[in-house]
Amino acid sequence: DIQMTQSPSSLSASVGDRVTITCRASQTISNYLNWYQQRPGKAPKLLIYGISILQTGVPSRFSGSGSGTDFTLTISSLQPEDFATYYCHQTYSILPWTFGQGTKVEIK
Amino acid sequence: EVQLVESGGHLVQPGGSLRLACAASGFTFSRYNMNWVRQAPGKGLEWISYISGSSSTIYYTDSVKGRFTISKDDANNSLYLQMNSLRAEDTAVYYCVGGSGKYSYGSRIQTFDYWGQGTVVTVSS
Repeated sequence: DIQMTQSPSSLSASVGDRVTITCRASQTISNYLNWYQQRPGKAPKLLIYGISILQTGVPSRFSGSGSGTDFTLTISSLQPEDFATYYCHQTYSILPWTFGQGTKVEIK
Repeated sequence: EVQLVESGGHLVQPGGSLRLACAASGFTFSRYNMNWVRQAPGKGLEWISYISGSSSTIYYTDSVKGRFTISKDDANNSLYLQMNSLRAEDTAVYYCVGGSGKYSYGSRIQTFDYWGQGTVVTVSS
């Protein structure tokens, strides 16, 4: 299985802050990397696919970057609605498709 | 508007069975790959099963292989998960997820586009 490791597991930030979340794959996954946002008590929502392509309707303050095994999700200016848990997700290998353990973004 | 509505979650004893259902609307169900993803209490997301739009391709994660069966009924826009020999570690919220392949730099990236609200399965004596 391809292991996806996110860091940090949680962070505290203020509205307006720039936030960066890192995801590392246990082997190269090319550009088969997606990011999801899960607000408390809600289902996850696709934010970014193919490392850096924003899903329709996702605000431009979200961006993704990286290559090979190391990837980053950046929120350029944190908004109140962005306090949530974020998951990276690889679909390079379906045996099985795997998620990172999540990064919880909390209000400072 | 896309809607995925799961049902069938329940409290069941270890070794028991459950059948989850997911009613889809607002998109062309037969053209979408469908998945089940679960989330144990306080934990992260775990993909467990995939079925292609044509039902010709099916995958399972190892921990459910041989115990769970995914199926779909295009005539009724419904996805199912038959769960047998349930274990305590199967306790989770189960999400029905519609997926697609999106192209990026020549690669077809599988994405999980549409999510239901989830149904709760509790396995306990």
